[in-house]
Amino acid sequence: AQTVTQSQPEMSVQEAETVTLSCTYDTSESNYYLFWYKQPPSRQMILVIRQEAYKQQNATENRFSVNFQKAAKSFSLKISDSQLGDTAMYFCAFTSSGTYKYIFGTGTRLKVLA
Amino acid sequence: NAGVTQTPKFQVLKTGQSMTLQCAQDMNHEYMSWYRQDPGMGLRLIHYSVGAGITDQGEVPNGYNVSRSTTEDFPLRLLSAAPSQTSVYFCASSPPGTGSNYGYTFGSGTRLTVV
Repeated sequence: AQTVTQSQPEMSVQEAETVTLSCTYDTSESNYYLFWYKQPPSRQMILVIRQEAYKQQNATENRFSVNFQKAAKSFSLKISDSQLGDTAMYFCAFTSSGTYKYIFGTGTRLKVLA
Repeated sequence: NAGVTQTPKFQVLKTGQSMTLQCAQDMNHEYMSWYRQDPGMGLRLIHYSVGAGITDQGEVPNGYNVSRSTTEDFPLRLLSAAPSQTSVYFCASSPPGTGSNYGYTFGSGTRLTVV
């Protein structure tokens, strides 16, 4: 069975600094996708970034980038130039291609300090 | 374009009561699903549907029923509410042919409290 582990329940970062959120996963599948979702206090789940397992290149979306280490089964999220609006819960998620099912991690609560 | 709409946003039920959480999307998405979010446990899949008339169970289906009579709607029914069903419920959808590969569009959630 697939599992997703986020080992940092809470983190904080100063505004304008860089922070990295960790995520590890376990799977025997070869074709899968990984995601980071942001959940601000409004409760809305927002897709931040997506990585295809067969692509070696790390995904980037503006200030958000990932470090995807397939052999180590690691998928960390780096937030550069942190902003107060980045304060949220961040969830790492895994899906095998074509399965329609996500496995979510337990989340990391990030607080950006002014 | 409203996206995924969930109603109600908040609900308090008494143990044993039944209710239906509504979910509607106007994006012609084939795939719809229900997740529950509990503290320290992330989101867990309850039921999902890959199209009208087709539903299947997820990780935690007990105590919940679903049906999919139209592409747009995917209601979640609690048959006899229990305190263990106190949670935040999310409906999510994704476009035809993509399954879960490209990420979901989520509704804003329903906070349900069972007393």
